[in-house]
Amino acid sequence: AQSVTQLGSHVSVSEGALVLLRCNYSSSVPPYLFWYVQYPNQGLQLLLKYTTGATLVKGINGFEAEFKKSETSFHLTKPSAHMSDAAEYFCAVSDRPGGGADGLTFGKGTHLIIQP
Amino acid sequence: DVKVTQSSRYLVKRTGEKVFLECVQDMDHENMFWYRQDPGLGLRLIYFSYDVKMKEKGDIPEGYSVSREKKERFSLILESASTNQTSMYLCATTRQTTYEQYFGPGTRLTVT
Repeated sequence: AQSVTQLGSHVSVSEGALVLLRCNYSSSVPPYLFWYVQYPNQGLQLLLKYTTGATLVKGINGFEAEFKKSETSFHLTKPSAHMSDAAEYFCAVSDRPGGGADGLTFGKGTHLIIQP
Repeated sequence: DVKVTQSSRYLVKRTGEKVFLECVQDMDHENMFWYRQDPGLGLRLIYFSYDVKMKEKGDIPEGYSVSREKKERFSLILESASTNQTSMYLCATTRQTTYEQYFGPGTRLTVT
């Protein structure tokens, strides 16, 4: 069984500062890793994904994440925060295409707050 | 673009009522999912369907049932709503050969 741990239920950064949201996973097989963003009262939108190949993955809105197998981590970063980045961010892992009966396993989410 | 729609954005029901939440997708995806989202708990899988009339229980199926009579439509049923089922419900879809899931906008259900 896989699991995801997101460190920090709330992260606050100043506008223009670096954003770093931490995600660690456990999986018995090579994982497929995702970051989703959820704006208030909306569904989840895929930010980026890692399946195979390059370990540094670029996504939408200037976000990127790096898969580090040795650290079992998939941290999300953005060089310069913008007010519009304020949202809930979810890290997720899957061990197979289509999700299967386990679906995606999600972390509990990190609420990103941007200070003006 | 994949489009996943859910029948209601907000819903208020009384304890004991039968509640239907409907999800429709337009991309011919085989797999469909119902998740429940609660603060501090993330998303938890209620049910999964991989084909018409086929379903599997997720992590928290108690108090819920599902129906998939057509490929594009996946319904979540609360047979007798209770206050502890007040939550945000999210539908998602994917192909069996791909990894990422596509989510609907969610239904915020309040049971009073």
